[in-house]
This record gives sequence, structure tokens and C-alpha cells, in this order.
Amino acid sequence: GAGVSQSPSNKVTEKGKDVELRCDPISGHTALYWYRQSLGQGLEFLIYFQGNSAPDKSGLPSDRFSAERTGGSVSTLTIQRTQQEDSAVYLCASSLRREGAGEQFFGPGTRLTVL
Amino acid sequence: AQSVAQPEDQVNVAEGNPLTVKCTYSVSGNPYLFWYVQYPNRGLQFLLKYITGDNLVKGSYGFEAEFNKSQTSFHLKKPSALVSDSALYFCAVSAVQTGANNLFFGTGTRLTVIP
Repeated sequence: GAGVSQSPSNKVTEKGKDVELRCDPISGHTALYWYRQSLGQGLEFLIYFQGNSAPDKSGLPSDRFSAERTGGSVSTLTIQRTQQEDSAVYLCASSLRREGAGEQFFGPGTRLTVL
Repeated sequence: AQSVAQPEDQVNVAEGNPLTVKCTYSVSGNPYLFWYVQYPNRGLQFLLKYITGDNLVKGSYGFEAEFNKSQTSFHLKKPSALVSDSALYFCAVSAVQTGANNLFFGTGTRLTVIP
């Protein structure tokens, strides 16, 4: 079956512009995660959605970052007034199980470059 | 707070030799432990996980890992390395007691298998 897909695969933007990154999780997966992977860094947790529950936003680095998940499926991560330090690969993952034991399936990521 | 340490940024091993990629963790209570692999221009792929039970877990592509509670380690191993194993490997942990759903990742270890 289809895996997690993300678009665009690459995004180059100018400092101060807003960007939207999209994630299509695996059908039937109720949990959806966003992570950020910076050069030389591990993956940094950003936000977690589970069904219709309020999202866990504890990893968002600033109020310029927000995310939504419509209809329990597709998710959009929005970064407002982008800064150069926002340059990274943004990864989306989904899982079937709510608990932390569930295997997460990752998309290929969106490489964001802020000039 | 949860954390993962991968002490080696780079591991080189000759093809056919055994390989070990090290991981230690810190978590309150019992951990769920994972290994993921990232091939160039690909998303992260799940290799294996430890939830409970047998300390030695076997995963994809002939990899295995041993959970050692006293040493808080979860080293990844393979008896005979292949050139195709060359990739970036991430160890991750989530905490059972806190109910945390997101994974905490190490900074990754780049494995190079030399023909």
C-alpha cells in the first residue's frame, strides 16, 4: 500500500516568507507526527496529532510554527515569517497505535531552505 | 526527561565483519526502544524495537539489538556487514510511564561498510 507522502520535496524561500508543508499519512493511521532534522542534529519532535484529540504541541520551537490536521487525515505544517535557522528537513510520520510502542512510518521529508 | 546518546558519529567496518552501532538512553521508568535507518534521499525506515520480553530483538535485514537495562543500552548489531548496509542509523526512545507518544532520537551514526 501507499506510504506516507510529503509535498513539496524541496522548498526554497526567502527570509520572512510563510511556507506550508503537507503530509498525507497512511490510510487508517490515527497518529501523525512532525519532526525536524537539522544538519548534524537528531530528529527533533515538533507536534503530534491523535484522532480528534487536542494535539501535543510541546515541541514547536516558536509561535511562528503551527500545524493542523483536517478530517483526521492530511496535515499541514505552517511556518510564518521564516528565518534562516528554520532551514532543515521536515519529516512527517504516522502510526497505527496510539501508545508509544507503535512503529512510526516516515515520509521522505521536505527539505526547506530559507535564504 | 528522555534522551538518547549515540556516542559515535561515524562507524567504519569492512564488508563481512560484524558491526555494532552503540546507543544509550535515559528515561523515567521503562523504555520503548527503536532503531531506524535512513538511506540517502529516503525517509527513515523502521528496523526493530524493544517493548518487553526477550532482551535480544531481531529486526529487518539481519539486524538485531540487545536491551541491557543495567547499562541503559540498546546497541545495534549485525554478524556480517554488507556494503548495502551503509546508511545513517538512529536510535530512539519513548517512555511508557509518561505516556509520551513521540520518539526522542539520537543524533545518528553514519555507518560505512568498506568493500
